Amino acid sequence: GQQLNQSPQSMFIQEGEDVSMNCTSSSIFNTWLWYKQDPGEGPVLLIALYKAGELTSNGRLTAQFGITRKDSFLNISASIPSDVGIYFCAGLYGGATNKLIFGTGTLLTVQP
Amino acid sequence: NAGVTQTPKFRVLKTGQSMTLLCAQDMNHEYMYWYRQDPGMGLRLIHYSVGEGTTAKGEVPDGYNVSRLKKQNFLLGLESAAPSQTSVYFCASNGQGKEQFFGPGTRLTVL
Repeated sequence: GQQLNQSPQSMFIQEGEDVSMNCTSSSIFNTWLWYKQDPGEGPVLLIALYKAGELTSNGRLTAQFGITRKDSFLNISASIPSDVGIYFCAGLYGGATNKLIFGTGTLLTVQP
Repeated sequence: NAGVTQTPKFRVLKTGQSMTLLCAQDMNHEYMYWYRQDPGMGLRLIHYSVGEGTTAKGEVPDGYNVSRLKKQNFLLGLESAAPSQTSVYFCASNGQGKEQFFGPGTRLTVL
């Protein structure tokens, strides 16, 4: 089945550093979503993007819907230890089913 | 609101046994989904439902069945469990918005 190309697969950074991750697809999406998953928990929605070129922030998180509609980026500024987790992108084609296609995830580790 | 809840949280089965996972949502959402999550594979869609009484196959439906008899509940059944079905199972739902909300997961081990 199709999955999005998400990179990097993992990151190990120092507290206070900025982080960037991205997702790319061969298909065009109408919506991009970014989720975070803590160990032993379900994914929690961070940011939703609905228009090509859209730039949206949620606290220290900023995400962008690529202009080609085939990619999306997530930036985390001034990382803190509680940012540790797996970050997933997800794309939605649209239509009646609302089916999401997920990226393979980026594992973020923050060293205090 | 409790959001999306899943029962049980953990389960160990022997090969060939059957079980049902229950997902419930109290947000009056039309759409519900079952995913499995395996290491390095992200989330893969098993089955989904676009409304009460409807179900459809996702990306990896083999070995699973589902039912949506009530709008708030979506059941995932394994008729004859296999070790390949060892995974973490997540239920999700959404209304007219595109954002899916996830439950806490069920960790299943098949011996």
